[in-house]
Amino acid sequence: GEDVEQSLFLSVREGDSSVINCTYTDSSSTYLYWYKQEPGAGLQLLTYIFSNMDMKQDQRLTVLLNKKDKHLSLRIADTQTGDSAIYFCAEKGDQAGTALIFGKGTTLSVSS
Amino acid sequence: DAMVIQNPRYQVTQFGKPVTLSCSQTLNHNVMYWYQQKSSQAPKLLFHYYDKDFNNEADTPDNFQSRRPNTSFCFLDIRSPGLGDTAMYLCATSRSATVNQPQHFGDGTRLSIL
Repeated sequence: GEDVEQSLFLSVREGDSSVINCTYTDSSSTYLYWYKQEPGAGLQLLTYIFSNMDMKQDQRLTVLLNKKDKHLSLRIADTQTGDSAIYFCAEKGDQAGTALIFGKGTTLSVSS
Repeated sequence: DAMVIQNPRYQVTQFGKPVTLSCSQTLNHNVMYWYQQKSSQAPKLLFHYYDKDFNNEADTPDNFQSRRPNTSFCFLDIRSPGLGDTAMYLCATSRSATVNQPQHFGDGTRLSIL
């Protein structure tokens, strides 16, 4: 079945770049998403990328997709303490109505 | 400005006592989803409504039910909650169920079963 893997923790200093990595197994994945979850809150959609794209940039966020290796990354430039949260990678297959499959989330800790 | 609103934010209930969680949306989206997220785990889809059509995931326990009386509201009913149902319950919406429509989440209801 489908599986999405992420490293569990990442610790960076304020002002540095953060790179959160994700691998997935479903080759039919059409869209890949990054969500942010702050403590006690729901999921906030950060960005998403279509599988025919290699890169997408949105302000401080850069998403890189290597479809051959089924590897997705999220780079946060100039990381701030407010970026501390859990980041979930999720993929959706090419069939309408299919579920989002989430990874277990990467906890990003930003120290000042 | 909240577009997907879940009530209550926190709910404590007794083992076996039925509980209902509420979700409303101002986006006029066709699809509404319910996810269960246990501590330190990924959200897991329980079911979704496409308009009035109910779609249950194969491994959703039978004591989890849902109702969608109109476009704006969707309810999650747990008939006889067990201790293992303690979790965050997340509601999400999307314009349609096609793959290019992202899902927008509410802030969740944290449910504790005692």
